[in-house]
Amino acid sequence: AQSVAQPEDQVNVAEGNPLTVKCTYSVSGNPYLFWYVQYPNRGLQFLLKYITGDNLVKGSYGFEAEFNKSQTSFHLKKPSALVSDSALYFCASGGLTGGGNKLTFGTGTQLKVEL
Amino acid sequence: AAGVIQSPRHLIKEKRETATLKCYPIPRHDTVYWYQQGPGQDPQFLISFYEKMQSDKGSIPDRFSAQQFSDYHSELNMSSLELGDSALYFCASSLNWDATFSGNTIYFGEGSWLTVV
Repeated sequence: AQSVAQPEDQVNVAEGNPLTVKCTYSVSGNPYLFWYVQYPNRGLQFLLKYITGDNLVKGSYGFEAEFNKSQTSFHLKKPSALVSDSALYFCASGGLTGGGNKLTFGTGTQLKVEL
Repeated sequence: AAGVIQSPRHLIKEKRETATLKCYPIPRHDTVYWYQQGPGQDPQFLISFYEKMQSDKGSIPDRFSAQQFSDYHSELNMSSLELGDSALYFCASSLNWDATFSGNTIYFGEGSWLTVV
């Protein structure tokens, strides 16, 4: 069973509006959670990670994610979406109970930002 | 900054042929990972190496093998290719094997597209 789940295959948002890409986890112990983005025909680019510490994690390109233990969530957010944010976003887990010393990815969420 | 380099970027092979993908990790990174991403799928972990030794094994077919060399570059060898092997193959690297629960980050290459016809 996957350690992270992305319930939405696609998210559509208008440029300038806030965006949220959802991720929930089912990792026992301390979860180690990551967000990566994949642009068309490109590799996976690291956005941010939660290892320990503050629940609000800030990452690249203005993205942030909030670790919520009670809701077992790690949603990716951005206050104001850009058309250039349109891409495939993957949540992933790691750590000894979340997949070992490798990343285990969710199924991905396609983000489409429209003018 | 230097990134993970993969070659070739695109490869077309016929069924039952053999293919070799190469990966050059970020300088000073000692851990290499291989992932396979089928069309419309999430990346699936194949295998990883730390300091030239296999550190973890995932859903890698027996027809595939990989190794990490003394200069830390890695090669993924795929034999008796099948149509279902057509995918994007990612290599990633990190500093130390415990990157998923330490402060280090796993960085991915641009991927190698393998098409089996």
